[in-house]
Amino acid sequence: EIVMTQSPATLSVSPGERATLSCRASQSVSSNLAWYQQKPGQGPRLIIYGASTRATGIPARFSGSGSGTEFSLTISSLQSEDFAVYYCQQYNNWPRTFGQGTKVEIK
Amino acid sequence: QVQLVQSGAEVKKPGASVKVSCKASGYTFTGYDINWVRQATGQGLEWMGWMNPNSGNTGYAQKFQGRVTMTRNTSISTAYMELSSLRSEDTAVYYCAPGYYFDYWGQGTLVTVSS
Repeated sequence: EIVMTQSPATLSVSPGERATLSCRASQSVSSNLAWYQQKPGQGPRLIIYGASTRATGIPARFSGSGSGTEFSLTISSLQSEDFAVYYCQQYNNWPRTFGQGTKVEIK
Repeated sequence: QVQLVQSGAEVKKPGASVKVSCKASGYTFTGYDINWVRQATGQGLEWMGWMNPNSGNTGYAQKFQGRVTMTRNTSISTAYMELSSLRSEDTAVYYCAPGYYFDYWGQGTLVTVSS
């Protein structure tokens, strides 16, 4: 099983600042990596797939990069609606696995 | 538009089974694997397994092997996830989601296991 490790667990950022979240896979997942955003009381929302492709309707301030085992999600200028928990997920191997999440909170 | 409508909340006793349904519309049901993901309160996302609605083939996370069964009824575009021998740790919201990555999710079904 591929273990996905996200860091940091919590990221405190001021509105308008840049946030960078990391996700590391225990073995290569090529570019088969997705990022999800989840707000309290809501289901997850796809942000990025293919490591760097924004999902439909996702603002350009979200960008993903990386391949193999190291990935990152960058939010260029945090808006109030971006404060949430973010999960990475690999879909290269079975079983599919998620990271434990990074909470982006208001500083 | 793609919609995934899940069955309502359930309360079960330890040792019982629960069967959650996921009715799909807005896309070709047999064209995409259906995955099941769960989330305990305050915890992260946990992938449980997948089912190919066309063939009925399934694959389960090792943690759930022997306790989970994923099935479908193609005539009504509905997938099912049954979890048996329930314990308190199975209390969670259960989601269905088609595809390799999950751009559409059901609304979630809360399953509460309590004596």
